[in-house]
Amino acid sequence: DADVTQTPRNRITKTGKRIMLECSQTKGHDRMYWYRQDPGLGLRLIYYSFDVKDINKGEISDGYSVSRQAQAKFSLSLESAIPNQTALYFCATSDSARTGGRIHEQFFGPGTRLTVL
Amino acid sequence: GNSVTQMEGPVTLSEEAFLTINCTYTATGYPSLFWYVQYPGEGLQLLLKATKADDKGSNKGFEATYRKETTSFHLEKGSVQVSDSAVYFCALMPRGGGSNYKLTFGKGTLLTVNP
Repeated sequence: DADVTQTPRNRITKTGKRIMLECSQTKGHDRMYWYRQDPGLGLRLIYYSFDVKDINKGEISDGYSVSRQAQAKFSLSLESAIPNQTALYFCATSDSARTGGRIHEQFFGPGTRLTVL
Repeated sequence: GNSVTQMEGPVTLSEEAFLTINCTYTATGYPSLFWYVQYPGEGLQLLLKATKADDKGSNKGFEATYRKETTSFHLEKGSVQVSDSAVYFCALMPRGGGSNYKLTFGKGTLLTVNP
């Protein structure tokens, strides 16, 4: 089931272009995240949002921006794409309601493969 | 800062072989620990988890025990199948709340199981 969806699934673009990756979720979660995956580097956090009015930089936010348009939507933008932003991008969600020492499990979308030429 | 180190792959095994993927961590206090699995062409899925020392997480025949004394969370399976071929990620989430609720991942280990 597609609780977390990402569009597009694949994108090829040119250096200098502005690109937007979109993420939607039907899980009702309040927290959303953007990661990038590079071979041999694992997943690195770009931005995260704990609610619609709370957006925070992750470890590699330079060159990226985000918009939390609604609780269910979290978009990632590359203002001027460069080749080293070629990667697999994942959106994830979690539910802060599972508090009191319980684990904030993250649920991942299928990913967007972005190639910048 | 927090970090996760897992054994480098790729790991190639024959069907029914025993699997161990090592994972050690560095964190303040006692984080929660996770193993995620990524099947080809898919996003990550939570495989198992443990929240405190000596907890054993298990799922689909995989197990991992939270070892505080060695700061480890090694993944094991007694008899792997071809369908277990995937990339496995070890991850931690620190305690403390607020902005600390972020996952830190290891670099991933590619497992290939041959028939």
